[in-house]
Amino acid sequence: EAGVTQFPSHSVIEKGQTVTLRCDPISGHDNLYWYRRVMGKEIKFLLHFVKESKQDESGMPNNRFLAERTGGTYSTLKVQPAELEDSGVYFCASSRLAGYSNEQFFGPGTRLTVL
Amino acid sequence: DQQVKQNSPSLSVQEGRISILNCDYTNSMFDYFLWYKKYPAEGPTFLISISSIKDKNEDGRFTVFLNKSAKHLSLHIVPSQPGDSAVYFCAASGFSGGGADGLTFGKGTHLIIQP
Repeated sequence: EAGVTQFPSHSVIEKGQTVTLRCDPISGHDNLYWYRRVMGKEIKFLLHFVKESKQDESGMPNNRFLAERTGGTYSTLKVQPAELEDSGVYFCASSRLAGYSNEQFFGPGTRLTVL
Repeated sequence: DQQVKQNSPSLSVQEGRISILNCDYTNSMFDYFLWYKKYPAEGPTFLISISSIKDKNEDGRFTVFLNKSAKHLSLHIVPSQPGDSAVYFCAASGFSGGGADGLTFGKGTHLIIQP
C-alpha cells in the first residue's frame, strides 16, 4: 500500500508569489489533514477534510491560505500571496473514517521557503 | 498556550537500557493519545496510541502508559536500540461530532541511543 505522498518536496519562492502544495492520501482514507511546522516549533494543525468537505479549518492562519479537496481524493493547499512567516514544513496526513481511533499517517512534507 | 508539553528537549540513553519519554497535557477534552517518531527530512511515523479508557498499551518494545488523573503519559522503549535515535512527538486529540479531530503535538524529545 502506497503511503501519503506530497509534492513538491521543496519550494523556494519570493514574497508575494503564489505556491500550491499537493497531497495524495492513502487510498481509501477519507480523513485528510494539513499541518505545518515552523522552524523550532511544534507541528501545528491547519485543517481537516472528511472526504471533500472541510470538517475543521480552525488552524488556518489567515485568508491567504486556501485548501481544496475536489472529489475527496487528493488535496491542494495554496498560499497567495506568500509572506516570509509562511516558511516552514507543511505536512499532510490521512486516516480511515472508522471507529474510535485516530492513527494518522503522515507524508514526507513540503519544505517551503519564502524569501 | 501549549496544551501538550514535552519538557525534555533531549534524552540520552545507553543501548540496551530503557528509554522513558514523558508528556503532559492540559486539555481534559483530549481522549486519544499517540506517539510519533521522526527522522530528519521525513514525516512523523506513527508508533503507538492509547485511548483514554485504557491505562496501558503495548506493542513489541514500545509501551505507552496513560495517567488520566495526572494528565500524563509516557512512552517506554525497552531495550533501546541505535535505530531508535530520532525525535519523538507526543500528540493528542479529541473526537468531535465530525469524527477524529486534528492532532495537537508537543515540541518533541530528541532521543539519542549511545552504543
